Amino acid sequence: EPEVTQTPSHQVTQMGQEVILRCVPISNHLYFYWYRQILGQKVEFLVSFYNNEISEKSEIFDDQFSVERPDGSNFTLKIRSTKLEDSAMYFCASSEASGAFFGQGTRLTVV
Amino acid sequence: SQQGEEDPQALSIQEGENATMNCSYKTSINNLQWYRQNSGRGLVHLILIRSNEREKHSGRLRVTLDTSKKSSSLLITASRAADTASYFCATPSTPFAGGTSYGKLTFGQGTILTVHP
Repeated sequence: EPEVTQTPSHQVTQMGQEVILRCVPISNHLYFYWYRQILGQKVEFLVSFYNNEISEKSEIFDDQFSVERPDGSNFTLKIRSTKLEDSAMYFCASSEASGAFFGQGTRLTVV
Repeated sequence: SQQGEEDPQALSIQEGENATMNCSYKTSINNLQWYRQNSGRGLVHLILIRSNEREKHSGRLRVTLDTSKKSSSLLITASRAADTASYFCATPSTPFAGGTSYGKLTFGQGTILTVHP
């Protein structure tokens, strides 16, 4: 069964460093998303991406965040100058009319 | 309550029993999705029910949707220890916005289900 894959599964980074989280959405899906879940909190929408551009973004998705689809299969989330409060599980998802399907997540720890 | 709030917050049952979790939401929706999350792991898509459907089954899962009451329920029959997880309902943040109505979602806090062997 097709699935969304994310790499790495864990990432530890120093505060102020840049990180890139990678995702391969389901191949025939057209809509892609990033979400995050801070430990013990709700899953929160960050950004949606369609037709090679951002379609919507939340208040959380400020200038330190960016997304890119560098080729036909990958979808990346870049966080510039990470902060301690960026520590969370980051989920990539892709969707079609049967629903939104999530990857296993990348646990980002900023130290 | 906020969009997509689950009830109860925690549920503890014995293996073989049925587990029922409820979700309430505030605004009109065109679909509602249920997810499972094992501790610290990814979100597993369980089922999507559309606003014109009242009930849907998938294996041991039964989902109902009552749009007049703005509520949904997830029933897991004959539960197993492996069903121990958090269960979330998710509703579209922009229900009638085309493609993103299936992926731009608002999640509830979830129900923590513990199934004892």
